[in-house]
Amino acid sequence: EVQLGESGGGLVQPGRSLRLSCTASGFTIGDYGLTWVRQAPGKGLEWVGCIRSKDYRGTTEYAASVKGRFTISRDASKSIAYLQMNGLKTEDTGVYYCGRAISGHDIWSGSVYNYDYTDVWGKGTTVTVSS
Amino acid sequence: DIHMTQSPSSLSASVGDSITITCRASQGIRNHLAWFQQRPGKAPKSLIYAASSLHRGVPSKFSGSGSGTDFTLTISSLLPEDFATYYCQQYFSYPYTFGPGTRLEIK
Repeated sequence: EVQLGESGGGLVQPGRSLRLSCTASGFTIGDYGLTWVRQAPGKGLEWVGCIRSKDYRGTTEYAASVKGRFTISRDASKSIAYLQMNGLKTEDTGVYYCGRAISGHDIWSGSVYNYDYTDVWGKGTTVTVSS
Repeated sequence: DIHMTQSPSSLSASVGDSITITCRASQGIRNHLAWFQQRPGKAPKSLIYAASSLHRGVPSKFSGSGSGTDFTLTISSLLPEDFATYYCQQYFSYPYTFGPGTRLEIK
């Protein structure tokens, strides 16, 4: 059975760092992309970023709100993906979910369009940034 | 960035009803549109990808359609467990973006 489990959340002061882990089971983590999505209290879903499958060289993409502060990586030998969060802000508070993503690409009008859609989600881990 | 809107923002319906939720993208996204269900306090659940393809295990009472900028999610024969919040998401171009959600409530 395909499963994902997030860990590493907690209370952290603004400006500090935290690393979230997403442990995968039931599939080979490198064969898929991995997406991080967050949800502030009482708000909707916000895409944070993704790491593509190894077929797409494991390239990473980020939301503007976290670019330069957050880094997504993957350790295939441990079947774990990470979300390293530096320079945390109070607005980073929320539940963080990881999801397995199907990476692919389309060729349309001579241009290549990469895509990653999510099929399985973890249960989430809560991050609270507060002094 | 591509901006996603959903209508209505909330909807009341009864068990057994059918409902339709609309999602609109600020620019064309071909069929790179996904739908998710989220029950209170729970993780999102993937329902549909490529605008109309159901994920494994998702019942056929859920259906999606559309291409370009306008998309719909239809749920037929509502059951109590269907009352949740539904989100669309475009995965045509980075950064991927979600709609604000449609809250489906029991009448």
